[in-house]
Amino acid sequence: GNSVTQMEGPVTLSEEAFLTINCTYTATGYPSLFWYVQYPGEGLQLLLKATKADDKGSNKGFEATYRKETTSFHLEKGSVQVSDSAVYFCALSEMDSSYKLIFGSGTRLLVRP
Amino acid sequence: DSGVTQTPKHLITATGQRVTLRCSPRSGDLSVYWYQQSLDQGLQFLIQYYNGEERAKGNILERFSAQQFPDLHSELNLSSLELGDSALYFCASSSPRGGTNTGELFFGEGSRLTVL
Repeated sequence: GNSVTQMEGPVTLSEEAFLTINCTYTATGYPSLFWYVQYPGEGLQLLLKATKADDKGSNKGFEATYRKETTSFHLEKGSVQVSDSAVYFCALSEMDSSYKLIFGSGTRLLVRP
Repeated sequence: DSGVTQTPKHLITATGQRVTLRCSPRSGDLSVYWYQQSLDQGLQFLIQYYNGEERAKGNILERFSAQQFPDLHSELNLSSLELGDSALYFCASSSPRGGTNTGELFFGEGSRLTVL
């Protein structure tokens, strides 16, 4: 079945450091790919998405590019802030009528001042 | 605010008991999804309803059941509770009536269940 693999956390960075969180997927066909973020005590919210190969999703300084050849969707940000501390989930959308999302295990990011 | 409402936010109960979690989707959304988030299992898809009918089933235990009502709200029933059922249960919605499904799911803030 389809699956998503993320790098394990926690990831601890200093403010203004560069962030990369790796995500690879296994899927039949070409699913849409997503990054969701979960702030403490809150539900998940969409950070960015890409629907086809070579698409780049971006939001709030975060970017991720849909790489079909490496089946990857790595999340990057050039300069993290303390407010970016959260858990980040990579996900793919099933290519059936359900549109359900299959999530990776999540990566906790802690940004220190 | 995602527009998805879940109640209760917190629930503490004992093993063997039964609880019901409620979800109101975003206005107009026809699909409701239930996910379980536990420390060691991550986010696991349980079940999906679309306009009152079950559409997809994931790793949902037989002790758990769900339904979606004509007003589109959904309930997740958990029975014969065990310690391992302690988790955060999320509801999400999508598929706006008359609109286009973009694939994005809108999540509620979750119901935290603690089984003692």
